[in-house]
Amino acid sequence: EVQLVQSGAEVKKPGESLKISCKGSGYSFTSYWIGWVRQMPGKGLEWMGIIYPGDSDTRYSPSFQGQVTISADKSISTAYLQWSSLKASDTAMYYCARRVVPAPMRDYFDYWGQGTLVTVSS
Amino acid sequence: DIQMTQSPSSLSASVGDRVTITCQASQDISNYLNWYQQKPGKAPKLLIYDASNLETGVPSRFSGSGSGTDFTFTISSLQPEDIATYYCQQYDNLPMYTFGQGTKLEIK
Repeated sequence: EVQLVQSGAEVKKPGESLKISCKGSGYSFTSYWIGWVRQMPGKGLEWMGIIYPGDSDTRYSPSFQGQVTISADKSISTAYLQWSSLKASDTAMYYCARRVVPAPMRDYFDYWGQGTLVTVSS
Repeated sequence: DIQMTQSPSSLSASVGDRVTITCQASQDISNYLNWYQQKPGKAPKLLIYDASNLETGVPSRFSGSGSGTDFTFTISSLQPEDIATYYCQQYDNLPMYTFGQGTKLEIK
């Protein structure tokens, strides 16, 4: 069974650093891209970026480039999303999701993690 | 950047009603559009891919259509468990993705 299990909720202060995780199981972790999606309180979904754990090829949405870092450790089938200096505006639910490309120009996210709630408050 | 405009932003319908949500792209995206369902407090779930293909295990009352810039998502007979927010997502300029702003569906 394919599963993406994310790390638990975090409460941080502005200026602190944070790294949240997404552990894949039940499939070949190095063969599928993992994407990250932000959902601010009461708002919609925003695509942040994506990583291919096989070679760590990473792409960012222009809106998030330079604001976060996406990485992966294929030895433990885990992808990460990290911040070096959190802001209150980073308060949101963050989801990881597995990207599937079953055919040319057929592309979607088929399995999602349960979400990690990040709260940044002084 | 490709912008996705969903409408309505919210709607209220009765059990058994036919429900339609539209999604308009700011430029031609062929059929490179997916639909997701997000129930309160849960992660999104893929329902429709390539504009009109039903994901395995998704009830047949859900359907999608359209190509180019105009897309439609339909629930043929609304059920109580369909209460959720629905999002379209384009993938024309890979690996960049854009979600619509969502449509919150409530039972009347």
